[in-house]
Amino acid sequence: EDQVTQSPEALRLQEGESSSLNCSYTVSGLRGLFWYRQDPGKGPEFLFTLYSAGEEKEKERLKATLTKKESFLHITAPKPEDSATYLCAVNMYSGGGADGLTFGKGTHLIIQP
Amino acid sequence: EADIYQTPRYLVIGTGKKITLECSQTMGHDKMYWYQQDPGMELHLIHYSYGVNSTEKGDLSSESTVSRIRTEHFPLTLESARPSHTSQYLCASSGRTEVSYEQYFGPGTRLTVT
Repeated sequence: EDQVTQSPEALRLQEGESSSLNCSYTVSGLRGLFWYRQDPGKGPEFLFTLYSAGEEKEKERLKATLTKKESFLHITAPKPEDSATYLCAVNMYSGGGADGLTFGKGTHLIIQP
Repeated sequence: EADIYQTPRYLVIGTGKKITLECSQTMGHDKMYWYQQDPGMELHLIHYSYGVNSTEKGDLSSESTVSRIRTEHFPLTLESARPSHTSQYLCASSGRTEVSYEQYFGPGTRLTVT
């Protein structure tokens, strides 16, 4: 069964303390891996798409990387406004079925001032 | 500004009522989706559409129905709401290019059925 697993479930960091969030996936025929940010009571906000192993994308303090089995979201010198739930999702070749995203449960990140 | 809109943002309704959750996008996207998200849980796809007059059920079974009469509009309807339908409903759309699968989400509708 296709799965997306994110770890840790929750992470509390001090402002400026860099860390990484993990997303491991077991899917056949990965078409793309996506990172989203979700604030409480809001819809997910798109951050990155990664299509192939070795690919990297950066945006401000965030950097996403992809291997054949997992993706990392690296957060460098985070600020309190980076506090949110970070979601990982995959889109896979499904032979004619839905091309909806399969999501992990997310990592709840808290950055303390 | 191109965007995706959902109304209402919050809805509290009694059991047995018929409700329609609205979703509209101004991005010119052909594909639209509905996801359901319970607190602390993953988003699950419940409906999708590849264009006008195209609707399909997603991975998670849902008693809701959808329609796609106009490209920009993708409403979701519950004929008879039940407490088990209490959840957050998120609408999304994705672009027209073959290599772009990013989905952009609306703000969501939080539904409570009493």
